[in-house]
Amino acid sequence: DGGITQSPKYLFRKEGQNVTLSCEQNLNHDAMYWYRQDPGQGLRLIYYSQIVNDFQKGDIAEGYSVSREKKESFPLTVTSAQKNPTAFYLCASSLTTDTQYFGPGTRLTVL
Amino acid sequence: SQQGEEDPQALSIQEGENATMNCSYKTSINNLQWYRQNSGRGLVHLILIRSNEREKHSGRLRVTLDTSKKSSSLLITASRAADTASYFCAALHYNSGGYQKVTFGTGTKLQVIP
Repeated sequence: DGGITQSPKYLFRKEGQNVTLSCEQNLNHDAMYWYRQDPGQGLRLIYYSQIVNDFQKGDIAEGYSVSREKKESFPLTVTSAQKNPTAFYLCASSLTTDTQYFGPGTRLTVL
Repeated sequence: SQQGEEDPQALSIQEGENATMNCSYKTSINNLQWYRQNSGRGLVHLILIRSNEREKHSGRLRVTLDTSKKSSSLLITASRAADTASYFCAALHYNSGGYQKVTFGTGTKLQVIP
């Protein structure tokens, strides 16, 4: 069953903690993306990666970090430097310049 | 800066009516895509239109692209209650480093009343 998965679905974090959100795809896509969505708003690009071992900052990369050691995986770490991390996080993958396929999202709440 | 801006922000129509959403963008694009999002879920791709195309159809969806005006529209005909969702445009372009980048609009929230 091909697709893109994210885990966990809900995540709670205490202030000052780092947390890592998982994103895995078995679509053999080269490119992967992380977006942040705040209530009633569009998606803002955090980081993206077009090939393994390479990634680029998006529009709101501060306070986040990523790695791309494997083609299938693109984990996002929300660090304690991110001042307002409560949001809905979406991961996507694509084959070159075509359609992005989205995961179901992770809702992060800071307690 | 926000590449895609959409209007209206919210739209409420009766079932059976047509719904039109507009999207404007700022820089040259490679293609433009429309996505749908049900509340609290991931986005689902609807349709892609390339920069050299002017109109595209898929079922009840019709997308137009005017590169001279840097704008696109999504028309949903004969709307159904199940079409209730948020709709986003996404413009693909290349940044100064030569990397492709997709920028999403702020979305139009569509409510179809049965």
